Amino acid sequence: AQSVTQLDSQVPVFEEAPVELRCNYSSSVSVYLFWYVQYPNQGLQLLLKYLSGSTLVKGINGFEAEFNKSQTSFHLRKPSVHISDTAEYFCAVSGPTGGGNKLTFGTGTQLKVEL
Amino acid sequence: DGGITQSPKYLFRKEGQNVTLSCEQNLNHDAMYWYRQDPGQGLRLIYYSQIVNDFQKGDIAEGYSVSREKKESFPLTVTSAQKNPTAFYLCASKGQEKETQYFGPGTRLLVL
Repeated sequence: AQSVTQLDSQVPVFEEAPVELRCNYSSSVSVYLFWYVQYPNQGLQLLLKYLSGSTLVKGINGFEAEFNKSQTSFHLRKPSVHISDTAEYFCAVSGPTGGGNKLTFGTGTQLKVEL
Repeated sequence: DGGITQSPKYLFRKEGQNVTLSCEQNLNHDAMYWYRQDPGQGLRLIYYSQIVNDFQKGDIAEGYSVSREKKESFPLTVTSAQKNPTAFYLCASKGQEKETQYFGPGTRLLVL
């Protein structure tokens, strides 16, 4: 079975500072990894994904993530955050589980950007 | 514009009542999914469908039912057997783009 751990439930950061949101996963097979962002009372928007190839993945809104197979991590980073980045961020994993291409989600990290 | 629509945005359920949440997509995606979101618990899979007229239970299917009569539509019924239905419900779909699910705006279900 697959699982995703987002250790930080909340991350406060000042505007223009860098931020890293941590994600670790467990799986016995090759996985695909995703980061989604959710603004209040809205659906999830895809930020970026890792399927194969380069371990550094760039996404929308200036975010990037690095896949580290040995540490089973997929941390999300942004060098300089903006007030508009305040939202909840979800890490998810999908793998060849035998059907359905189901996503397993972490419990989310609330990013709060302060002036 | 292509996308996923969910209606209504807010839905109120009385005790013992069944309610149906709508999910429609015009992306020509084969697979569709229903998730339930509770604070601090992330998203949990209720049901999914990979093709018309076929669907499978997810991790928390008890108290819910679905149908997939058309490719574009995947309605979710919250039955009276679901004792704790208050949550935010999200529908998603997946097409040919490898492994990638796209989400609708969600429906918030509240119990009166």
